[in-house]
Amino acid sequence: GAVVSQHPSRVICKSGTSVKIECRSLDFQATTMFWYRQFPKQSLMLMATSNEGSKATYEQGVEKDKFLINHASLTLSTLTVTSAHPEDSSFYICSARVPSGGTENIQYFGAGTRLSVL
Amino acid sequence: GESVGLHLPTLSVQEGDNSIINCAYSNSASDYFIWYKQESGKGPQFIIDIRSNMDKRQGQRVTVLLNKTVKHLSLQIAATQPGDSAVYFCAEIVGGNKLTFGTGTQLKVEL
Repeated sequence: GAVVSQHPSRVICKSGTSVKIECRSLDFQATTMFWYRQFPKQSLMLMATSNEGSKATYEQGVEKDKFLINHASLTLSTLTVTSAHPEDSSFYICSARVPSGGTENIQYFGAGTRLSVL
Repeated sequence: GESVGLHLPTLSVQEGDNSIINCAYSNSASDYFIWYKQESGKGPQFIIDIRSNMDKRQGQRVTVLLNKTVKHLSLQIAATQPGDSAVYFCAEIVGGNKLTFGTGTQLKVEL
């Protein structure tokens, strides 16, 4: 399957600082990437859809000014958690959709980033 | 609202036995489903997919069954191995783009 790389895998930061997470598609071009958040023992919740060359589409309840998304190239999307607070501590996962030309659009996921805000 | 959910939060099986993980969905317009496997501390890994115009699809040691009449999806794992221990999610494609994940089932393989 397609490879999606996510970095860093883990980050610990102080409250009030900003953290940037990178998501790269290594062997394919992804016009669309997705950012998810996952709390312990829970499912993945979609935060936003990242579109190359345009603004991200955020899900209801997700603060776009707090979770900044940039998709500047066909292989890279970044999520910046601004002014992080302890309640932002979570597992953040990105995915990239592999273009298939059909209706199926399989998403391949990165390994996730464990964010801990002290 | 529409949702995708699982019947069993935890499933324990003996090594070598077959596993069946179930999923109920409520969006009758869903036309594509995917099963993912997530190991602890990692991202979801694609296992198998199925379109709504199919009722069965087989992969290596895995089979997905789709019953549109009762909106039920299942993942069968043959000869379950310790490496199969993980959380399994079913997910549906909404609007041809976004994935909606179910609540997940923890599969535990006992030696």
